[in-house]
Amino acid sequence: KAGVTQTPRYLIKTRGQQVTLSCSPISGHRSVSWYQQTPGQGLQFLFEYFSETQRNKGNFPGRFSGRQFSNSRSEMNVSTLELGDSALYLCASSIRDRTQNTEAFFGQGTRLTVV
Amino acid sequence: AQSVTQLDSQVPVFEEAPVELRCNYSSSVSVYLFWYVQYPNQGLQLLLKYLSGSTLVKGINGFEAEFNKSQTSFHLRKPSVHISDTAEYFCALGRSQGNLIFGKGTKLSVKP
Repeated sequence: KAGVTQTPRYLIKTRGQQVTLSCSPISGHRSVSWYQQTPGQGLQFLFEYFSETQRNKGNFPGRFSGRQFSNSRSEMNVSTLELGDSALYLCASSIRDRTQNTEAFFGQGTRLTVV
Repeated sequence: AQSVTQLDSQVPVFEEAPVELRCNYSSSVSVYLFWYVQYPNQGLQLLLKYLSGSTLVKGINGFEAEFNKSQTSFHLRKPSVHISDTAEYFCALGRSQGNLIFGKGTKLSVKP
């Protein structure tokens, strides 16, 4: 069974630009969550999508947005990039049955560097 | 509010020695707890999980953890570590809303 696939693995962008990251979850998983990992703040939750609907959102500015497609693939977008957005962005997929909290399976991440 | 505290940011240990990575949590509701491992430039890999039932949880690569409700702890242990266990380990709390709350991580360094 294929794991969670994130593309691209590495990205360099200039301040003020926007970026789109992609995540393909494990087949059959309908929930996709995004996390930002930085040395200073650690792992922070961005948002979760389930069946094309944002179900939960972390404490990030509106420059961070996402969406999910009918095949469960998800994209996240960051507009007007700032230097502080440099981070490893991790995508996680899970079955996310409402009756129980199941584990999340993570992708390799996209390393975004803003210069 | 829910939170996770990993008490040690770095743990050096010699190969074949036992190790314990400490994790404490704060939550007023039922908890789901996880340990993940991250190797350099990689994503997170699930080591083990506690959802309910037995408080001693066994995971992959010889790791185990014990859920202690009275002490609100979920410490990770391995009786004999290998060089290949060198990595960063994250304790996480699963919220009913679906997302995970992570601790700051513990860097395990195994020396020969």
